[in-house]
Amino acid sequence: GAGVSQTPSNKVTEKGKYVELRCDPISGHTALYWYRQSLGQGPEFLIYFQGTGAADDSGLPNDRFFAVRPEGSVSTLKIQRTERGDSAVYLCASSATGGSDNEQFFGPGTRLTVL
Amino acid sequence: AQSVTQLDSQVPVFEEAPVELRCNYSSSVSVYLFWYVQYPNQGLQLLLKYLSGSTLVKGINGFEAEFNKSQTSFHLRKPSVHISDTAEYFCAVSSTGRRALTFGSGTRLQVQP
Repeated sequence: GAGVSQTPSNKVTEKGKYVELRCDPISGHTALYWYRQSLGQGPEFLIYFQGTGAADDSGLPNDRFFAVRPEGSVSTLKIQRTERGDSAVYLCASSATGGSDNEQFFGPGTRLTVL
Repeated sequence: AQSVTQLDSQVPVFEEAPVELRCNYSSSVSVYLFWYVQYPNQGLQLLLKYLSGSTLVKGINGFEAEFNKSQTSFHLRKPSVHISDTAEYFCAVSSTGRRALTFGSGTRLQVQP
């Protein structure tokens, strides 16, 4: 079956612009996660959804970052007033039930470059 | 809070040699441990996971890892590596109190002919 998909695969924007990154999880997966991976680093947690609600948003770096999952499937990560430091690969993952022991399936990521 | 330390940023090894990638974690609660692999230009793929029970865990592609609670380690091993094992390897931890994964900084395994 289809895995986690993310669009776009690459996004180049200018400092100060607004961007949206999309994630399509595996069908039927109730949990969805966003991570950010900077060059040479491991992924860092941003936000976790269980169904439509954000169960844990403790990883969002500031109020410029926001994410939604209105129907409990597709999620959009929104970044306002982008800064050069936001440049990274943004990863989305989904799991069947959201338990801590659940395998998370990762998408290929969106590479965001802020000029 | 929980954290993961991968002591080696790069590990060069010759083909057919054994390899060990080290991972140490810290947590105040019981943890679940994972190793993910990231091949060039591909997404993260689960290699293996420790949830409970036997401390020796076998994964895909001939990899295995051993959970050592007293040393808070979860080292990854393979007895004989192939060129195709060249990739970035990430150790990660979650717990009942924190469902999101906390990753280490990764170890780049470079298998040379």
